[in-house]
Amino acid sequence: GENVEQHPSTLSVQEGDSAVIKCTYSDSASNYFPWYKQELGKRPQLIIDIRSNVGEKKDQRIAVTLNKTAKHFSLHITETQPEDSAVYFCAASRDSGAGSYQLTFGKGTKLSVIP
Amino acid sequence: DAGVTQSPTHLIKTRGQQVTLRCSPKSGHDTVSWYQQALGQGPQFIFQYYEEEERQRGNFPDRFSGHQFPNYSSELNVNALWLGDSALYLCASSLYRREEKLFFGSGTQLSVL
Repeated sequence: GENVEQHPSTLSVQEGDSAVIKCTYSDSASNYFPWYKQELGKRPQLIIDIRSNVGEKKDQRIAVTLNKTAKHFSLHITETQPEDSAVYFCAASRDSGAGSYQLTFGKGTKLSVIP
Repeated sequence: DAGVTQSPTHLIKTRGQQVTLRCSPKSGHDTVSWYQQALGQGPQFIFQYYEEEERQRGNFPDRFSGHQFPNYSSELNVNALWLGDSALYLCASSLYRREEKLFFGSGTQLSVL
């Protein structure tokens, strides 16, 4: 089955700096890569996603890049703000063949933005 | 537009007992997936239900079972609880065959003593 590795496990940045979180996956058939943000005691919320036919996607201060050959993808947050502090999870999935998708998550990165 | 709702929010059980968790999907969604999130870990896929049938299953024992009702809501049942079953149980809804995006509920925090 799919295996997703995520690094680093913790990340501290100064407010205004950039943050980068990296993930690798093992199943070359995976074709959908979402990123979730989970604040303490709250539900995971989808913040950005990318499909395998796209190399990069940007939404305001957040961007995701995908390298299919190397099987890795990254989350980039620019101009970080204290409200960006949370745990971020990457995930990978593919169509099971029946049209349904099963996400495999990384172990998460705890991002702390220091004011 | 209601999001994904789960009940109860917290639950305390003892080893060997059975538990039932409930989930109502986001309005318009027809598929429910269940995930287990241990402390400090990412969510792990348990199973997925569509049209009242289990469509996919992760690496979880038969003690974990589920059900989906005609109104798309779902239940997760865990029998013979172990201490290791203590976790946050997340329900996520989506549209079968049309959308990979998952919308999560706030979860049920299960503690097994």
